[in-house]
Amino acid sequence: NAGVMQNPRHLVRRRGQEARLRCSPMKGHSHVYWYRQLPEEGLKFMVYLQKENIIDESGMPKERFSAEFPKEGPSILRIQQVVRGDSAAYFCASSPQIEEKLFFGSGTQLSVL
Amino acid sequence: GENVEQHPSTLSVQEGDSAVIKCTYSDSASNYFPWYKQELGKRPQLIIDIRSNVGEKKDQRIAVTLNKTAKHFSLHITETQPEDSAVYFCAVYNYGQNFVFGPGTRLSVLP
Repeated sequence: NAGVMQNPRHLVRRRGQEARLRCSPMKGHSHVYWYRQLPEEGLKFMVYLQKENIIDESGMPKERFSAEFPKEGPSILRIQQVVRGDSAAYFCASSPQIEEKLFFGSGTQLSVL
Repeated sequence: GENVEQHPSTLSVQEGDSAVIKCTYSDSASNYFPWYKQELGKRPQLIIDIRSNVGEKKDQRIAVTLNKTAKHFSLHITETQPEDSAVYFCAVYNYGQNFVFGPGTRLSVLP
């Protein structure tokens, strides 16, 4: 089992560009969570998805941010028109069912110039 | 929504001593409580978890205790080693919605 795979590991964007972060959950896991982490800070919940459905997006800004988890393929976190304040580590985690342990990916470090 | 607090925010112990980190939560309906360890520049990794139907769980040098009435649970690390130095996060499952993480505790084990 390859674990939760995130790519890219590092992403550099200029202000106003789009950032697309990908997450492939562990095999057999249908629940995906995205978290954002600033340096020296905690994990801030963004969005929780199951296959083809957004279950909870209460932590995700309504503008510029969107997420999907299609029937086939990885989950995508998309940030449009990035600003410097979007610079952070974005972690994806998956679990096999609700109220079960989360397995984290290695994260994507987004840097906005 | 769920509110999760963690204390202390930083903790320094001598190698071989014990470390205790406490986590409090607000939603009495929560039933699953994991602890994660994050080393610098790495992903959070689960180290131990507990469900509300038990009061204590132990795995070698690590244990977790839960007081559901008082809505708090604690991580206990005995015989600390330098490799235990990391940031530790507690989490609470907000049923049907998401995991809420505490702000973290930075543990330093001094040789």
